[in-house]
Amino acid sequence: GNSVTQMEGPVTLSEEAFLTINCTYTATGYPSLFWYVQYPGEGLQLLLKATKADDKGSNKGFEATYRKETTSFHLEKGSVQVSDSAVYFCALSDQNFNKFYFGSGTKLNVKP
Amino acid sequence: GAVVSQHPSWVICKSGTSVKIECRSLDFQATTMFWYRQFPKQSLMLMATSNEGSKATYEQGVEKDKFLINHASLTLSTLTVTSAHPEDSSFYICSARRGSKPMDEQYFGPGTRLTVT
Repeated sequence: GNSVTQMEGPVTLSEEAFLTINCTYTATGYPSLFWYVQYPGEGLQLLLKATKADDKGSNKGFEATYRKETTSFHLEKGSVQVSDSAVYFCALSDQNFNKFYFGSGTKLNVKP
Repeated sequence: GAVVSQHPSWVICKSGTSVKIECRSLDFQATTMFWYRQFPKQSLMLMATSNEGSKATYEQGVEKDKFLINHASLTLSTLTVTSAHPEDSSFYICSARRGSKPMDEQYFGPGTRLTVT
């Protein structure tokens, strides 16, 4: 079946540090992969996505590459800011985009 | 961007009572809405998919008679937890698909925390 595993948090970094949040998946077929971000008191927002192997999704300085050989979609950012503090969810969808499978979320705290 | 709201944001109810949670797409029409449940430190689990004007499709293991979903308009879906019990306490999140194509983006509400005493 389909599932997503992401690193447990919280992750605490200083401003301008490099960020990596690991995400691996198990899936049948050809899933699409997503990273969502949730700021306090708000709904999940799509951060980036990749729909096929070797695609790189990017947005607001964040990047993730769809690695089929390692079944991974790690989130990276070269220099985090305090405003990046949030909970990050890795997710995959089936080929029809009807069903999403989410990881458990990783809380990121960025200190000034 | 598209906005999805949920009401209430939190609710406490007594065991045996029913509670209704609303999910609204504020600036777009949503043919399809989704309801998720999230336990502490766990991932979101899809409960059901609702399409405007038709019956909801429930995921395996979700009790249809307990979690009543109504999608009566293109901007509103409701989830009613009937005869609530403490084990129903959870964080309920809805999302709405903007557009009719499967690949159209889903927008998420902020969630509703239900506590059953």
